[in-house]
Amino acid sequence: GIQVEQSPPDLILQEGANSTLRCNFSDSVNNLQWFHQNPWGQLINLFYIPSGTKQNGRLSATTVATERYSLLYISSSQTTDSGVYFCVGSQGNLIFGKGTKLSVKP
Amino acid sequence: DAGITQSPRHKVTETGTPVTLRCHQTENHRYMYWYRQDPGHGLRLIHYSYGVKDTDKGEVSDGYSVSRSKTEDFLLTLESATSSQTSVYFCAISDQGPSDTQYFGPGTRLTVL
Repeated sequence: GIQVEQSPPDLILQEGANSTLRCNFSDSVNNLQWFHQNPWGQLINLFYIPSGTKQNGRLSATTVATERYSLLYISSSQTTDSGVYFCVGSQGNLIFGKGTKLSVKP
Repeated sequence: DAGITQSPRHKVTETGTPVTLRCHQTENHRYMYWYRQDPGHGLRLIHYSYGVKDTDKGEVSDGYSVSRSKTEDFLLTLESATSSQTSVYFCAISDQGPSDTQYFGPGTRLTVL
């Protein structure tokens, strides 16, 4: 099956800073999703993005399927952005990366 | 938020006892999933269902069984719980299949002593 690798594993930001999270996948995927798990454990789907670029407020994502990577951009970070961000690939069932743990300090 | 609830939300049990976790949805989605989340592993698929009475194994199915007698309910059973099954369990649903957007329940924290 596919392997999904995320970097960096941990990231600490000052409120207001921008960041880029990266996801590499080992094989072509049918789709690529980004999830945010907040500090209370809730998983929220951020983007469904098999290719191209999407934006939602301060967050945007780009997937370059031919080069097997996806990027998640967080601009003007807020403390509420803290949590773990998962990149998830699929050739059928979902394969989760191990996540990037983001801490935004006030 | 998608209407997905899980019960119980927390459970502590002893090795060798049976445990059943329940996932309930109000979205009438066809597909339902059980995942476990452990430190350093992200989420891993245990079992999933593609319709009433239709289920299939996921990546880490050993020691687990599932049942789906109604569209809205998906049960995960640990026949004889072991300490290695201590984990956080998430239920998810989707409409079109595993590659479709999945919506997750709030999770159940299970501790097996």
